[in-house]
Amino acid sequence: GAVVSQHPSWVICKSGTSVKIECRSLDFQATTMFWYRQFPKQSLMLMATSNEGSKATYEQGVEKDKFLINHASLTLSTLTVTSAHPEDSSFYICSAIKPQGNTEAFFGQGTRLTVV
Amino acid sequence: GENVEQHPSTLSVQEGDSAVIKCTYSDSASNYFPWYKQELGKRPQLIIDIRSNVGEKKDQRIAVTLNKTAKHFSLHITETQPEDSAVYFCAATPYGQNFVFGPGTRLSVLP
Repeated sequence: GAVVSQHPSWVICKSGTSVKIECRSLDFQATTMFWYRQFPKQSLMLMATSNEGSKATYEQGVEKDKFLINHASLTLSTLTVTSAHPEDSSFYICSAIKPQGNTEAFFGQGTRLTVV
Repeated sequence: GENVEQHPSTLSVQEGDSAVIKCTYSDSASNYFPWYKQELGKRPQLIIDIRSNVGEKKDQRIAVTLNKTAKHFSLHITETQPEDSAVYFCAATPYGQNFVFGPGTRLSVLP
């Protein structure tokens, strides 16, 4: 199977600072990547769809100015949590699908963000 | 858009028994239905998937069935083992679009 690497796996930051999370497809080109947020004991909630070379599509209720997504290349998408607050603490996971679509989604290992 | 429901939310079975998790979806355009297993603190891992042109698929102790008319699909795990304990997510997706996940089922296999 394909490999998606997410970095960092955990991060602790101070309230008011920004944090960048990277999602890389290591052995395939991903024209589309997805960012999810997962609260404890809950499901994966889609935040946004990231398309290479264009603006991300955000789900309703997700602040685009707070969660900046950049998909500058076919193998890298980044999520920046700006001016983080304690309520942003969560598990963030990215996934990528191969260009032909309608196939398995490959997940990164996730990033546990703690804002203190 | 697509809406996926999943039942039950928690399931406890004795080791060796079978476990069944059911999902329903709303969008008739969905044609790909994967099942993911997520262990605590880890990424979801695909365990089995099914496409809309197939009614059933089996892989050793795991099977998935799909009823397109009723818009529901189910995961069947036979001869459960303690290592099957995890959270299971179903998902549905129309071709080439994002996955919509169900709320998850926490399976506990009791020794």
